[in-house]
Amino acid sequence: DTGVSQDPRHKITKRGQNVTFRCDPISEHNRLYWYRQTLGQGPEFLTYFQNEAQLEKSRLLSDRFSAERPKGSFSTLEIQRTEQGDSAMYLCASSSTDGPTWETQYFGPGTRLLVL
Amino acid sequence: QQQVKQSPQSLIVQKGGISIINCAYENTAFDYFPWYQQFPGKGPALLIAIRPDVSEKKEGRFTISFNKSAKQFSLHIMDSQPGDSATYFCAASPTGTASKLTFGTGTRLQVTL
Repeated sequence: DTGVSQDPRHKITKRGQNVTFRCDPISEHNRLYWYRQTLGQGPEFLTYFQNEAQLEKSRLLSDRFSAERPKGSFSTLEIQRTEQGDSAMYLCASSSTDGPTWETQYFGPGTRLLVL
Repeated sequence: QQQVKQSPQSLIVQKGGISIINCAYENTAFDYFPWYQQFPGKGPALLIAIRPDVSEKKEGRFTISFNKSAKQFSLHIMDSQPGDSATYFCAASPTGTASKLTFGTGTRLQVTL
């Protein structure tokens, strides 16, 4: 299966620690998105990349959050000095700007973060 | 500011019945409207999507109805099955570079036997 993969699937950390999540998009997808989903809510957009360029960041993405996609393939999302309010599911999605499904975003299984 | 409003929050339908979920949007720049299905512990999966140049799109048991003037769209699940029990999210985005999705708050569907 060549779907979007995310690692780790679960992460428990203590408040103040740094965490990093990884997303591997569907191969040849040039767009990659990060969303955050809290319990009982829909996903909220955080940021997205086209190839290696970060084109948009949400106001939700405070300066403790940083995302990279250094070679236009996988991406990492780092949260520094985690807070309990950061506890959520972090979802990655990818899409292509070409082909018949060019506007469809395919989501990964998510990384569930719990900050104690 | 919630730009996509979804209702109902939860829905119980008998097997074989019709499930209807409604969404309304505010941003007139939106021109792509997908519906996603999410099972517990999983990421959202695209179910069906529509663009505003058509008023209805059907794929199997799933139909999207779209009313551009009212800025509303809905998902109809015909012959609902227990396996359809999941959370459904409507979403919207403008196309082009600003293709981030704005999601509704979700509808938890339970299909009973």
